[in-house]
Amino acid sequence: DAGVTQSPTHLIKTRGQQVTLRCSPKSGHDTVSWYQQALGQGPQFIFQYYEEEERQRGNFPDRFSGHQFPNYSSELNVNALLLGDSALYLCASSLRGLNNSPLHFGNGTRLTVT
Amino acid sequence: AQSVTQLGSHVSVSEGALVLLRCNYSSSVPPYLFWYVQYPNQGLQLLLKYTSAATLVKGINGFEAEFKKSETSFHLTKPSAHMSDAAEYFCAVSEKASWGKLQFGAGTQVVVTP
Repeated sequence: DAGVTQSPTHLIKTRGQQVTLRCSPKSGHDTVSWYQQALGQGPQFIFQYYEEEERQRGNFPDRFSGHQFPNYSSELNVNALLLGDSALYLCASSLRGLNNSPLHFGNGTRLTVT
Repeated sequence: AQSVTQLGSHVSVSEGALVLLRCNYSSSVPPYLFWYVQYPNQGLQLLLKYTSAATLVKGINGFEAEFKKSETSFHLTKPSAHMSDAAEYFCAVSEKASWGKLQFGAGTQVVVTP
């Protein structure tokens, strides 16, 4: 049973560039949430996707956008990268129809902006 | 608005000693509460969750936590620390209507000494 998989594992970008991160949810899950974890801090909620639409959003600028595909996989896009966007980006999946379905996290993508 | 405060960014315990990690929350509505563990270069793993059932919650790896509404606390304990418990621990809160949108604390790094 494959868990949540994220790609790539590491990424180095230059300030001002754009980046796309990918996430495949755990088998059977239909909801994907994205989190940003800066070094030494707890994860911060970016947004959540269900039925290919953004359902909830945290306090992140419009430079952060996403997409969910019919197979429930998801992408996180960040435009006009800033040095402060350097972080571990975590994807979590769950099953919306199941009460209290726990979030399953992937191992994350480490983004470094230089 | 909801928030989480974890007391102590670093905790050192001896192998075999009690592990106690403190978490206090603020929430305008009855919350869901969680403890996650993060090992180096990995995502987050759910230890346990409180979703308004029993106030004493047992989790994996011998951990448990008690929800105390009067103290707005959800402290995590383990009677006897093992070397494999060395990791970072995060307390998180969510509102029932916002499943998947977690507010994390800053984390507590646990070091276990022989």
